[in-house]
Amino acid sequence: GESVGLHLPTLSVQEGDNSIINCAYSNSASDYFIWYKQESGKGPQFIIDIRSNMDKRQGQRVTVLLNKTVKHLSLQIAATQPGDSAVYFCAEGGAAGNKLTFGGGTRVLVKP
Amino acid sequence: GAVVSQHPSRVICKSGTSVKIECRSLDFQATTMFWYRQFPKKSLMLMATSNEGSKATYEQGVEKDKFLINHASLTLSTLTVTSAHPEDSSFYICSASRAGGYEQYFGPGTRLTVT
Repeated sequence: GESVGLHLPTLSVQEGDNSIINCAYSNSASDYFIWYKQESGKGPQFIIDIRSNMDKRQGQRVTVLLNKTVKHLSLQIAATQPGDSAVYFCAEGGAAGNKLTFGGGTRVLVKP
Repeated sequence: GAVVSQHPSRVICKSGTSVKIECRSLDFQATTMFWYRQFPKKSLMLMATSNEGSKATYEQGVEKDKFLINHASLTLSTLTVTSAHPEDSSFYICSASRAGGYEQYFGPGTRLTVT
């Protein structure tokens, strides 16, 4: 069936550098996409979302890019900090009611 | 706003017993609640979707008689794992959404260990 996937399972980044996390999705009917951050032993935390009629959205230190042509989603974190160390999931929704389909996750490790 | 709690945060039970996990929306009315299961180093897998006052809709492969879901009010949903076995050990996470909204607010999760 349709799925959301990620290119990189683990990303190591130097503190202060920018991070880019990528996600491929396959359901062209998805209407919105969300990035979540999950720390060990905790529930997912909303970071930023984007609707399918947009190609870029910015938040505080984060930017989400959506390329519908190649069905690609990315999350950019500027000036990565130790507190950014976590697993990041992309999720897509809108194709089947308000259910979300989660990608496999990328672990970000910030090196001091 | 949009805080979701879960209780208990951790539970250990013996094989064959049942355990109930509560999910509460603390400051909003949740017309829809979702239950996920997450294995170590894996992604979230949707188990079921429940709308207040209605029967839950289970995803393919999820046994509805084993994972009983009740959503009796706009602020509370429960997941009961019946006749638990060690393979049911997992991290269970709920989320809740408001009427007309697509954003899901996640609870902190419940770690279930079946011995």
